[in-house]
Amino acid sequence: ETGVTQTPRHLVMGMTNKKSLKCEQHLGHNAMYWYKQSAKKPLELMFVYSLEERVENNSVPSRFSPECPNSSHLFLHLHTLQPEDSALYLCASSQEAGGVLNTEAFFGQGTRLTVV
Amino acid sequence: DQQVKQNSPSLSVQEGRISILNCDYTNSMFDYFLWYKKYPAEGPTFLISISSIKDKNEDGRFTVFLNKSAKHLSLHIVPSQPGDSAVYFCAASAHNQGGKLIFGQGTELSVKP
Repeated sequence: ETGVTQTPRHLVMGMTNKKSLKCEQHLGHNAMYWYKQSAKKPLELMFVYSLEERVENNSVPSRFSPECPNSSHLFLHLHTLQPEDSALYLCASSQEAGGVLNTEAFFGQGTRLTVV
Repeated sequence: DQQVKQNSPSLSVQEGRISILNCDYTNSMFDYFLWYKKYPAEGPTFLISISSIKDKNEDGRFTVFLNKSAKHLSLHIVPSQPGDSAVYFCAASAHNQGGKLIFGQGTELSVKP
């Protein structure tokens, strides 16, 4: 198994659909992240979970709902998305120590989401 | 306000020559800087990093230079190879601000044979 695995790799959904993105890490890390990458824009941090608790939500619309049932799994539940939400969604993990997120994050391959 | 900026969206270099990718930042609290490389259809992978206590870090063909007074860092790849063609992201973090990575927009490097 690779370090951080995301499924599905590609997803096309309508604006009224509900779908979920899944991320699993096999690195023994205790922090997980969702990032959004739109074309020609920086990677945007959406959510941070540390020790299974959400520690940061960077003003993400409520149509994105994260879930972290344990330190190895992270979900992003999607509902009533807009076409402008089409992007590459990347999951990452790292090791937190002493309340500080380890700066070297390991990324999954991403889910290419298209909202039609 | 974008704290990490990569002002060149793309760069084209001949194989065997040096590639220089640049990155500027505004947050003076940043104390750790990283470069990630991303191929199409893959997630970013860590390439090289540098702490603010250093001004240079070298790993094989890759060298990162940090100029704290100018709030500027650069990644040098020499010699460049066609397999280096990818998008390169600069990232920075501040230990006393939780260590979260802040990314630039990326620079797409194309190394031509």
